[in-house]
Amino acid sequence: DVKVTQSSRYLVKRTGEKVFLECVQDMDHENMFWYRQDPGLGLRLIYFSYDVKMKEKGDIPEGYSVSREKKERFSLILESASTNQTSMYLCASSPPQGRAFFGQGTRLTVV
Amino acid sequence: GENVEQHPSTLSVQEGDSAVIKCTYSDSASNYFPWYKQELGKGPQLIIDIRSNVGEKKDQRIAVTLNKTAKHFSLHITETQPEDSAVYFCAASSGTAGNKLTFGGGTRVLVKP
Repeated sequence: DVKVTQSSRYLVKRTGEKVFLECVQDMDHENMFWYRQDPGLGLRLIYFSYDVKMKEKGDIPEGYSVSREKKERFSLILESASTNQTSMYLCASSPPQGRAFFGQGTRLTVV
Repeated sequence: GENVEQHPSTLSVQEGDSAVIKCTYSDSASNYFPWYKQELGKGPQLIIDIRSNVGEKKDQRIAVTLNKTAKHFSLHITETQPEDSAVYFCAASSGTAGNKLTFGGGTRVLVKP
């Protein structure tokens, strides 16, 4: 089975902190994604990557950056956390034209 | 870009009845339509998907139908059970640009015993 692992289930950070969310997949997938989930808004794409060191902006990239130095790892970075970034963050991976599999999510609270 | 709308936002059904969730999409280039189920405290799990060359697909109590002309697709759950209670998301993708998915807003399904 595909396994997508996010480093933390719950995080509490202070406004202005630099925050790193880590995601690792074990299926050698080319594509990796970061989504944000808010009630009533579904999942919105922040950034995605289709290869090592490659990244593309999604629909809501403002305030975020990403890093993909190795194929299995995709990191989401909040340069200066703000309260409106309090949300559930979901990482996913997929082969180029195949099914996407999600991690268990990281619930981030910024105070 | 793609826009996916999902209805209803909440759905309450009696155990044993059927549940139907509908989605519409805007980009005629979309050709892949997965459905995800998210239980409390977990990440979304793929339950069924369909590609544009197929009009209907079934997997036990779950079925998905696709109408490309009208640009809508639906999830049908028959003989609902309490464990079907969850949030369901539809999504669409054109298969290009890294196969990124655009999601609907979600439907919270409650199956009453």
